[in-house]
This record gives sequence, structure tokens and C-alpha cells, in this order.
Amino acid sequence: AQRVTQPEKLLSVFKGAPVELKCNYSYSGSPELFWYVQYSRQRLQLLLRHISRESIKGFTADLNKGETSFHLKKPFAQEEDSAMYYCALSGGMYSGGGADGLTFGKGTHLIIQP
Amino acid sequence: DVKVTQSSRYLVKRTGEKVFLECVQDMDHENMFWYRQDPGLGLRLIYFSYDVKMKEKGDIPEGYSVSREKKERFSLILESASTNQTSMYLCASSPGTGLPDTDTQYFGPGTRLTVL
Repeated sequence: AQRVTQPEKLLSVFKGAPVELKCNYSYSGSPELFWYVQYSRQRLQLLLRHISRESIKGFTADLNKGETSFHLKKPFAQEEDSAMYYCALSGGMYSGGGADGLTFGKGTHLIIQP
Repeated sequence: DVKVTQSSRYLVKRTGEKVFLECVQDMDHENMFWYRQDPGLGLRLIYFSYDVKMKEKGDIPEGYSVSREKKERFSLILESASTNQTSMYLCASSPGTGLPDTDTQYFGPGTRLTVL
């Protein structure tokens, strides 16, 4: 069975400090990994996906297949980064049609202190 | 921009009532999904659909059913609501197999359902 683990429920860092949100996954094939973010009173939205290898709002994430990890990093945290972050995996778990539901981690609440 | 809308932001129902949650997307997406979001549990997939009239069970389908009569609309049905179904319900859609950005899911604002 596929699984996504985010070990930290809450992460608090000071503005300007580096941020790393951890994500580990369990999946036997080649997964698609995503980071979604939910700001206060806003809908859940895609932050980045590993396949695009881009940096969004200063965040990057590298897929490490050896360690089965997809940690989210930002060198200098900003107050507007405070939000709930979810790591998610799409791996073709379900049959038919090519549609894959996402398996989400339980989320990490990131708080950036001024 | 992809727009996913849900019929209600807040809903209060009584135990045993039949509840309908509606979701509409305007980007001609093939795939649609229903999740529930609970503190400390993250998002869990209830049902999804990859085509009109097609549906697949997710991780927690018990107590729920779905309907997709039109491509743009995906309904979640609680046949007999119970207090443990009090939750935030999120609808999402994604383009479909072979299309650009096929796996990216776009979410609605959510419906907070309280069952008394």
C-alpha cells in the first residue's frame, strides 16, 4: 500500500531562517510527488510537483528515490509562508481510466515567527 | 483559471438525514474527486470518477455514494448522515490521462458539514 509520512505536525521558525518540511513515502513503483499548500481561509492549491523541477515562491523539493523522500525547502522563510503544507503521492493505486486519487500526508502546520 | 465550486460552504444536518454535496468544475476535466479533511488525519479519498457515470472507491467509501451524470458535476451523497461524518469535504478535479498537467488536482473551497 502507498503511504505518505510527514513527521512534523507543527514547525515554527523565525523569519529569515531556512525551512525544511519533511516528507517520506512508501510506494513500490515510480511515484508522482506533490506539495500542496493551504493558506488561512483559502482553498488547497498546488505548490509544486517533482516532475516539473521548478521553484515556486522560493520553495524547492527534490525527489530522492534512495531515501524515498521529497522534502520541501526554502532558504529564507517569510511570514506569508505560514500555512498548512501537505505532501501527496500519485502512483496509479486505483484501477481504470488513468485517474489517480492522491494519497496525502497528514500535513505540517508551518508558522513563521516575526 | 480552473474553477471548482461547491454548493455550500457550511451545512448543518441531523443524524439520519440524506445529504447531498455538489461540486461543479468549468474546465472540462475528465477526473473528479471527493476527499474529507480532518485535523491530524490530512485528506482522505472517498470516491473518484474518471468519466461520466463511472466511479471508483477511494480509501474510505463506507457511508458514502457518488453520482456523476454530467461531466462537469460530481455529487457526494451521505445516505444516512452520522455524527462521525462531521468534517470538511473537498472536491477536486484533474485534466485526465494523456493531457497536459494530467495529475495536478484543483480543489474547491470545501464544505464544512456538521451532523448533529
